[in-house]
Amino acid sequence: GAVVSQHPSRVICKSGTSVKIECRSLDFQATTMFWYRQFPKQSLMLMATSNEGSKATYEQGVEKDKFLINHASLTLSTLTVTSAHPEDSSFYICSAVPGTGDEKLFFGSGTQLSVL
Amino acid sequence: TQLLEQSPQFLSIQEGENLTVYCNSSSVFSSLQWYRQEPGEGPVLLVTVVTGGEVKKLKRLTFQFGDARKDSSLHITAAQPGDTGLYLCAGERGGGSNYKLTFGKGTLLTVNP
Repeated sequence: GAVVSQHPSRVICKSGTSVKIECRSLDFQATTMFWYRQFPKQSLMLMATSNEGSKATYEQGVEKDKFLINHASLTLSTLTVTSAHPEDSSFYICSAVPGTGDEKLFFGSGTQLSVL
Repeated sequence: TQLLEQSPQFLSIQEGENLTVYCNSSSVFSSLQWYRQEPGEGPVLLVTVVTGGEVKKLKRLTFQFGDARKDSSLHITAAQPGDTGLYLCAGERGGGSNYKLTFGKGTLLTVNP
C-alpha cells in the first residue's frame, strides 16, 4: 500500500529555535497534503492544507507565520515551527492524498515535538 | 464548532464485553471513515463507509453508516486487550483541492484483561 514517511519521529528543541518536519509520499505523487496537530488523548486538529505549487490554506486560529508550510514538489511537504515555545509541544501528523482521483488519505507516523 | 460528535470520549471495559462508539453530525458527508490510533503513531484506517445504511464487518468490528449519511457507529464484540487504542471517526467532504477530512474528538478505549 501507499506509504507516507514523516521525519523526524521525535524532536526536542530549546525555546526560540525553529524545527522543520518533513512529510514524504514514497510511492505516489501527492497533490494535496494535510498537517494535523494532536494533544495527548485527543483527536487530530487540522492545521492547514498544503497544495503543491501554491500557498497553504490555514485553518482558523492557526498562525501562518508561526507554522510555515512548503509543498515544493509532489512528494514532499514541510512544516516549520518557527521560534518554538513550550506551548507548541505536541504531536504533529501529516497525511497525503494521491492525485489519482482516489481520495483515500494516507497518514505519516507523526512527529512528537517537545520544546524545553 | 465540532462537526462530528463522537461518544463516549473514554471507555474502560473488561475483556469479553461488547461496546458501541457513536459518531453523529448535523452535516452530510460523502463518506465516513473509522481509524484506530496507538500512542506515538499515526492513525490507521479501519474502514470507509459510503452508502447510507451500509454495514461493514471487520472480524469482531461492525461499522454502520446512517441512512442519511450523517452518523455512524462502531460496535466491537467480545473486546480484547489488543483492541485498546484511540478510535477516531472522520467525515469526508469535497474533492480535489477542496477535499477535507474532519475528525471527531475520538474515543479512548481501554480493554482490561
